[in-house]
Amino acid sequence: DTGVSQDPRHKITKRGQNVTFRCDPISEHNRLYWYRQTLGQGPEFLTYFQNEAQLEKSRLLSDRFSAERPKGSFSTLEIQRTEQGDSAMYLCASSPLTGLTNVLTFGAGSRLTVL
Amino acid sequence: DQQVKQNSPSLSVQEGRISILNCDYTNSMFDYFLWYKKYPAEGPTFLISISSIKDKNEDGRFTVFLNKSAKHLSLHIVPSQPGDSAVYFCAASETGNQFYFGTGTSLTVIP
Repeated sequence: DTGVSQDPRHKITKRGQNVTFRCDPISEHNRLYWYRQTLGQGPEFLTYFQNEAQLEKSRLLSDRFSAERPKGSFSTLEIQRTEQGDSAMYLCASSPLTGLTNVLTFGAGSRLTVL
Repeated sequence: DQQVKQNSPSLSVQEGRISILNCDYTNSMFDYFLWYKKYPAEGPTFLISISSIKDKNEDGRFTVFLNKSAKHLSLHIVPSQPGDSAVYFCAASETGNQFYFGTGTSLTVIP
């Protein structure tokens, strides 16, 4: 297993366009998280899945944001009608249900630039 | 509302000396704390953790101390090495589902 994979690593888009990010977690990890990080800040929680169920969503996740994990494996994060304020690093992380359940393994992130 | 705070944005330490990174939190219900290390263009990587039932956890050169009454934790790195230069984030969780991160401290270890 190569860890948590995120695609694309970089995305530049114009304001108003839709973008989608994909995350492939570690295969045996049931939990999957999306975080957002802006310059000078720590990662901010967006949403969390256990298997295919989305169990928690942050107030930061506006109606323009939607996340899915249809088969309990990979996840997608879609941002509709992007705004300049959406420019950030979007981080995906996963953790197992047993053992080190409190340790998140992060991917390298997907950097979004909205022009 | 920043529930986890790292008040020192940066720290410089001579190689071989001790690095002490500090973190404060406001939510007394937090019961699990972690430190992550981040290099540029990479995601954060897990370093060390501590449960609220302990006040110290050690892993090689890294030790985390937890002071629940002061709502404070610290990470000690001894001896510091140039490869330790990175941004360090502390994180805290109440339920184990949502983790709150601090704003990070950029550590520079000078050879």
